Amino acid sequence: EVQLVESGGGLVQPGRSLRLSCAASGFTFDDYAMHWVRQAPGKGLEWVSGISWNSGSIGYADSVKGRFTISRDNAKNSLYLQMNSLRAEDTALYYCAKGGNWGQGTLVTVSS
Amino acid sequence: DIQMTQSPSSLSASVGDRVTITCQASQDISNYLNWYQQKPGKAPKLLIYDASNLETGVPSRFSGSGSGTDFTFTISSLQPEDIATYYCQQYDNLPRGYTFGQGTKLEIK
Repeated sequence: EVQLVESGGGLVQPGRSLRLSCAASGFTFDDYAMHWVRQAPGKGLEWVSGISWNSGSIGYADSVKGRFTISRDNAKNSLYLQMNSLRAEDTALYYCAKGGNWGQGTLVTVSS
Repeated sequence: DIQMTQSPSSLSASVGDRVTITCQASQDISNYLNWYQQKPGKAPKLLIYDASNLETGVPSRFSGSGSGTDFTFTISSLQPEDIATYYCQQYDNLPRGYTFGQGTKLEIK
């Protein structure tokens, strides 16, 4: 069974940094591209970033380009999102996703 | 960038009704479209992949159709447990990623 477990969320001040992690199990991690998707409170879904199986292709939403960095460690079956220069509008539940399989999310709140 | 226009944004229907949601892409996306169901406090659940394929374990009252720019999601006979928000999702090769529709909130009359 595919399992994706996000961690690392929390309350952070504007301008600070946070690193999210996603622990994957139940599938061959290095066979798949992985993505981060977020959902602001009461709002819709927004793709944040994706990374190919070998980290050779990476994409970002315009809203986070230059501030967020996605990475993965295939030896550890883990996906990461380094979030710098955080803004209030980055407040959201952040999901880790492999195709149609999603984790339960980790909440990031950016507030002073 | 590809834009996805989903309608309606909300919908009220009775148990047993046929419900239809549409999604229009700003350019040809072939069949690279999924449909998700999201219940309050839960992660989105994949229902339909590649525009018309039913995910394993999903009831057959759910279906999808379309290709190119116009797509339709249908619930043939609405059940109380179908109350949720539904999203279409276009997917593309990296670095382009995903684009979601705005969502349709479905309520029971």
